[in-house]
Amino acid sequence: SQTIHQWPATLVQPVGSPLSLECTVEGTSNPNLYWYRQAAGRGLQLLFYSVGIGQISSEVPQNLSASRPQDRQFILSSKKLLLSDSGFYLCAWTVGNGGPSYGYTFGSGTRLTVV
Amino acid sequence: GNSVTQMEGPVTLSEEAFLTINCTYTATGYPSLFWYVQYPGEGLQLLLKATKADDKGSNKGFEATYRKETTSFHLEKGSVQVSDSAVYFCALSPGTGRRALTFGSGTRLQVQP
Repeated sequence: SQTIHQWPATLVQPVGSPLSLECTVEGTSNPNLYWYRQAAGRGLQLLFYSVGIGQISSEVPQNLSASRPQDRQFILSSKKLLLSDSGFYLCAWTVGNGGPSYGYTFGSGTRLTVV
Repeated sequence: GNSVTQMEGPVTLSEEAFLTINCTYTATGYPSLFWYVQYPGEGLQLLLKATKADDKGSNKGFEATYRKETTSFHLEKGSVQVSDSAVYFCALSPGTGRRALTFGSGTRLQVQP
């Protein structure tokens, strides 16, 4: 069966420090991968999505970046965190060649607090 | 572009009350519609989905019907439990293009014993 792993679960980082969040998927090949952010008390904002290795699409211009070095690995990074980067970050995957009816499976999330 | 609008919360109900959370959408083509649930401190879980007009998704006593004429996908449950307390997100996946989910802002449900 397919599983998605996301870590760390909780992170407290000072302003200006770097960030690396990792997400891996098991039990499937060539998934579509997504990073979402959920700010406190708000909905989910799509940050990045990827349909294949090295293919990254950015939805929101900001100081975050994403990379997909392997088929089932998706990394969210920042060189210098801002206070506004605080939030709950969720990784998700869906079937790569599937149609719109395929649901998404989400990781358990990383709660990032920038201090 | 695509968008999803949900009723604002929190919604506070007593146990065994009837629940409705409204959701309307704007999309081109023929999107699929989803409800996700987020329990405190956790990620999102798929609750139910519907892929075409007049489809009814159901799971754990929750139901939602894909109404193309009113562009709605309202979530209902006949008798809520304390364990249903969570944040509920309506979402759509467009019929074409990149297929990233577009979410509503979420509705917090609080069920009191």
